[in-house]
Amino acid sequence: AQSVSQHNHHVILSEAASLELGCNYSYGGTVNLFWYVQYPGQHLQLLLKYFSGDPLVKGIKGFEAEFIKSKFSFNLRKPSVQWSDTAEYFCAVNGGGATNKLIFGTGTLLAVQP
Amino acid sequence: GAGVSQSPSNKVTEKGKDVELRCDPISGHTALYWYRQSLGQGLEFLIYFQGNSAPDKSGLPSDRFSAERTGGSVSTLTIQRTQQEDSAVYLCASSHRITIGGAYEQYFGPGTRLTVT
Repeated sequence: AQSVSQHNHHVILSEAASLELGCNYSYGGTVNLFWYVQYPGQHLQLLLKYFSGDPLVKGIKGFEAEFIKSKFSFNLRKPSVQWSDTAEYFCAVNGGGATNKLIFGTGTLLAVQP
Repeated sequence: GAGVSQSPSNKVTEKGKDVELRCDPISGHTALYWYRQSLGQGLEFLIYFQGNSAPDKSGLPSDRFSAERTGGSVSTLTIQRTQQEDSAVYLCASSHRITIGGAYEQYFGPGTRLTVT
């Protein structure tokens, strides 16, 4: 069965610090990978996605993620965080197939201090 | 255009009562999903609909949970004889038609916060 692990449950950073959130998945086949973000009081929004091609994908608001197939990883990065990046971040995977259902990690709560 | 909408936004119910949660997907999206977000369990897949195909019910936690999708658009998630452990945020998402080997991003609604007292 597919599973997703997010190693950091709660991260606190100062503004302008660099961010890297870890995500590892377990699935041996072709995968599609996502990072979703949930800002306080808002619904889940797609940050970025990887389906195929260049393993370094860029998303909204300066975020990027790198798919490393050999490490089963899809870590999220941002070189300089802002207070407005305070949110919960979810990594998700699906294995394609018939339903495309998403398997989510447990989420990482990021707090950026001004 | 309009996003995924869900109603009600909040629902408080007594243990043992039945509840219905509604989802309106994005127009033109043929795939519809229900997920549940709860403390300690994170985000869990519940059920998936696409067109006239049989739904994937593999994530439903018990037979007290059921869902239907009428006319290929609006969906209703029903929880019978609610229990306190059903308290969670129920999220609906929709996407374009899924094809074998294809993938589309899912767009999420704001959720319904269910509290069972």
